[in-house]
Amino acid sequence: DQQVKQNSPSLSVQEGRISILNCDYTNSMFDYFLWYKKYPAEGPTFLISISSIKDKNEDGRFTVFLNKSAKHLSLHIVPSQPGDSAVYFCAASAETGNQFYFGTGTSLTVIP
Amino acid sequence: NAGVTQTPKFQVLKTGQSMTLQCAQDMNHEYMSWYRQDPGMGLRLIHYSVGAGITDQGEVPNGYNVSRSTTEDFPLRLLSAAPSQTSVYFCASSSYRDGEKLFFGSGTQLSVL
Repeated sequence: DQQVKQNSPSLSVQEGRISILNCDYTNSMFDYFLWYKKYPAEGPTFLISISSIKDKNEDGRFTVFLNKSAKHLSLHIVPSQPGDSAVYFCAASAETGNQFYFGTGTSLTVIP
Repeated sequence: NAGVTQTPKFQVLKTGQSMTLQCAQDMNHEYMSWYRQDPGMGLRLIHYSVGAGITDQGEVPNGYNVSRSTTEDFPLRLLSAAPSQTSVYFCASSSYRDGEKLFFGSGTQLSVL
């Protein structure tokens, strides 16, 4: 059973607007949450993370929000740029460096 | 500045054949792991290692073996390939200090006929 879920397989956004990617998880033991970005024919690259002691983490245009009571996290990209077009995976772990559980990914297309 | 290097990039096997996917990292990372990516399934952990000589099973370990004799290398062995093992395989590494930041290789596309 999928412990990390990304229910939107794809998302299209106009350049300059906000992109919101969502992720839900079921395991209350998860305490690290991450977002990875993947371009075709490449491996995923780390984007941003958040630990369960926080509810928000920012890095430039990227902000991750964590709602522990709802077991939900989201990634906001503002403003969206065409170079952001990629597949975004959320991931979660109960112990950093060991077992990460990934969602199925959301393909983001930013339209110029 | 190689990071995580996986070889080969592409491989076609016949059912029952065995092979080894190679993974090497030059960042002196303690943690290494293997994932497979299948359509609609995301990335699933096969095996992982927290240091040389130490390995453990992930979500989907059946049909695969690993060993970690050095810090740098973490090969994945398919013992008797099956069509269900057709997938894209990613190797990843991370440091003990910054374990949530996985560094991935560029992947191996494996087809088992």
